[in-house]
Amino acid sequence: DVKVTQSSRYLVKRTGEKVFLECVQDMDHENMFWYRQDPGLGLRLIYFSYDVKMKEKGDIPEGYSVSREKKERFSLILESASTNQTSMYLCASSFVGGGGKTQYFGPGTRLLVL
Amino acid sequence: AQSVTQPDIHITVSEGASLELRCNYSYGATPYLFWYVQSPGQGLQLLLKYFSGDTLVQGIKGFEAEFKRSQSSFNLRKPSVHWSDAAEYFCAVGGTGTASKLTFGTGTRLQVTL
Repeated sequence: DVKVTQSSRYLVKRTGEKVFLECVQDMDHENMFWYRQDPGLGLRLIYFSYDVKMKEKGDIPEGYSVSREKKERFSLILESASTNQTSMYLCASSFVGGGGKTQYFGPGTRLLVL
Repeated sequence: AQSVTQPDIHITVSEGASLELRCNYSYGATPYLFWYVQSPGQGLQLLLKYFSGDTLVQGIKGFEAEFKRSQSSFNLRKPSVHWSDAAEYFCAVGGTGTASKLTFGTGTRLQVTL
């Protein structure tokens, strides 16, 4: 089974702090994604990566950056956390190939910014 | 651009009753379609997917969905709902030219009464 893990289930940070959310997948998937989930808005794509050191902006990249130094690990960085970044953050991965759009999700990190 | 509409924000059904969750998509060619389920505080789990072939697809937990190109729909069904099916359900669409990205609907929250 595909396993996607996220470094924290719950996180409380203060406004202005730099925040790192980490995601690791164990299936050698090329693609990795970061979403944020808010009530009534569904999942919105922040960034995705299709290879090591490669990244593309999603629909809501403002206030976020990402890093992918190794294939299995994809980090989301909040350079200066703000209260409007309080949300549920979901990481996902998928492979490239036939049917490769199936995304596998981690358990999520619920971030509260005070 | 691809998009997904889930017109029902919240649905309540009695245990043992049948269920149909609606999903309408917009995409120019044959889409890749998915249904995911999210239990409270958890990540998303894949229920089923459609890529090509038989338009009626079977998934896990007794769910099925039917792709209807003429109606741009991919509705999720279950003949008899169990209390453990209470969760949030997301429909998603992807296309061949979208670099493995998926677009998600805003979700339908299912409540099951005993």
